Amino acid sequence: EAGVTQFPSHSVIEKGQTVTLRCDPISGHDNLYWYRRVMGKEIKFLLHFVKESKQDESGMPNNRFLAERTGGTYSTLKVQPAELEDSGVYFCASSQDWRDRGIYGYTFGSGTRLTVV
Amino acid sequence: AQSVTQPDIHITVSEGASLELRCNYSYGATPYLFWYVQSPGQGLQLLLKYFSGDTLVQGIKGFEAEFKRSQSSFNLRKPSVHWSDAAEYFCAVGSSGYSTLTFGKGTMLLVSP
Repeated sequence: EAGVTQFPSHSVIEKGQTVTLRCDPISGHDNLYWYRRVMGKEIKFLLHFVKESKQDESGMPNNRFLAERTGGTYSTLKVQPAELEDSGVYFCASSQDWRDRGIYGYTFGSGTRLTVV
Repeated sequence: AQSVTQPDIHITVSEGASLELRCNYSYGATPYLFWYVQSPGQGLQLLLKYFSGDTLVQGIKGFEAEFKRSQSSFNLRKPSVHWSDAAEYFCAVGSSGYSTLTFGKGTMLLVSP
């Protein structure tokens, strides 16, 4: 089966611009997660979708970040306008059932490295 | 709040030598514990997990980890390191009531010839 796919793998944008990251989860996985790693820091949770609904968005840093998952398939994470501190690696993960993260762990994508200059 | 500490940012090990990566967690109840590895250009791959039962867990690629409740630790070990093990390793904790994970800062493993 295909894994979790993220686009683009790298993105370099100027401060103030808009960037949209995309995540395609494993087919049939209802749960989709976004995490972020800022350089030198921990990987931190951003939000969790169950199908098209936001189950938990407590980790979203501010209202410049907008996540969507229309139709419960792929998800996008838009940053508008981007700031320097948004630079980092954005990971997406999916699981069939939220309890899978205990049994199988999430399946992570390879991440999108975002650089804001 | 739960937290994870990986005290070593970088570790260098000679190929063929044994490895131990440290992980300490803070969590009130019985935690779900994980080790992930990220190789260059790759996603986070699950090495092993613990949530109940035998405190010594076996994972993929010859790795194992031991849960020690008294020390709040979940250290990762491998008896003989291969050059392909060079990567960044992350310890994470989760709980039964939530679906999110809390990660440590990671330990970068370098393998010398």
